[in-house]
Order: sequence, then C-alpha cells, then structure tokens
Amino acid sequence: DTGVSQNPRHKITKRGQNVTFRCDPISEHNRLYWYRQTLGQGPEFLTYFQNEAQLEKSRLLSDRFSAERPKGSFSTLEIQRTEQGDSAMYLCASSLSSGAGASYEQYFGPGTRLTVT
Amino acid sequence: DQQVKQNSPSLSVQEGRISILNCDYTNSMFDYFLWYKKYPAEGPTFLISISSIKDKNEDGRFTVFLNKSAKHLSLHIVPSQPGDSAVYFCAASDAGNQFYFGTGTSLTVIP
Repeated sequence: DTGVSQNPRHKITKRGQNVTFRCDPISEHNRLYWYRQTLGQGPEFLTYFQNEAQLEKSRLLSDRFSAERPKGSFSTLEIQRTEQGDSAMYLCASSLSSGAGASYEQYFGPGTRLTVT
Repeated sequence: DQQVKQNSPSLSVQEGRISILNCDYTNSMFDYFLWYKKYPAEGPTFLISISSIKDKNEDGRFTVFLNKSAKHLSLHIVPSQPGDSAVYFCAASDAGNQFYFGTGTSLTVIP
C-alpha cells in the first residue's frame, strides 16, 4: 500500500497524559500536513512541513502541541498534558509541491481518533 | 472565523439526477480550490480541483465551477449514483500553504 498511513488508528488516554501520533506520507511527497477534525466540522489546519522544515503553524496549535518531521520522511505529532478538548480525529495529508506531477492535491491518511477521558 | 462555508449540511437527490453542492469563501487571496469526498471512518479523498485562473474544470461526471466575483464555487455531479453518497468538503488554499475546509455537505443519492 503506497498511501498515507497513520498510527495508531485509535488512542484513549487520561487527561494530563502525553500522546504521540505518527504519519508516514507517500514516499515521494515533500509536503506533509496535520489537521484536526471534530464532529460536524471540516478538517482544521494545524501545521505543515516542506521536507523537514516546519513552514506554517496555525494559532490553533497551542504550546502543548509539537510536530516534527526528521529527515523529511515520517512525521510525529505530540500532545502534552492532554485535555478533554483535545478529543478529535487527527488527520495527516501529503502532497508533492515541486517537480513533475506537482499539485496542491493532498492525499489523506485514515486518521488517528483520540479520546481523552 | 470560518473562511470557507458550506451552508447546506445535507442534500438528497434521486439517482440519475444532478447533484449541486455549493461553497462560499471570504478570502480573496485564495487561489486554489478543491473538493474532497469522505466516507465514514476514512480520511477525505481528493475529487477535483480548480485554479483561480479558471472558471470551470471537468472530470468525468464531476464539474467544478468557480465564480470569483461572487466568491462562490459549486460541484456538479451528473448523473448522480448511489455510490456518490458521502460527505463532501470544499477547501481553499493560498498557494498551497494553508488549506481551509468547509463544514461539509452530506449527500444522499436515492436509488
């Protein structure tokens, strides 16, 4: 399967714990995006990377959230001291922004559903 | 503030007829627009896109229309099929940096 993969698919944690999610993009894609989606809403942009550089961060991304993309391949999103309001689906997407085949089309993974109790 | 709006939460259409999904945006800096389809328990799937330099893009049964002066875009599906039943999101981007999604329209195609 050469699509975007995310792990874990589901995570239940207690308030105050730290959680980390992983995203593996399509291998030749240089851009990687993180989104959060809650019930009845569309995906909300959190941050994106071009290769290993984090280029944009939404004001939604509080200082409890941190994302990395070492070596420009997979990415991790960590949430520290989780709160019940962090319960959501966390989506990852990738795209190719340069070279042959470049476009703004994003390919999404299946998401990680986080439940904070 | 919601920069991309889909004012119809749901739409029902008979099989074989046309489905028209609408989307409005507020930011004139948006230069690229996309439609995604989403099934339950899956991530959104890219459907069709349009650049701000065009007013129409067609791909098979799917056509997207862009009216920049009205800051409005629409997705036409014709003929509609039961397999098209899903939630449709429109999205807008400023040169691929940030993407803003609407709240989605749930389409039901009745056989």
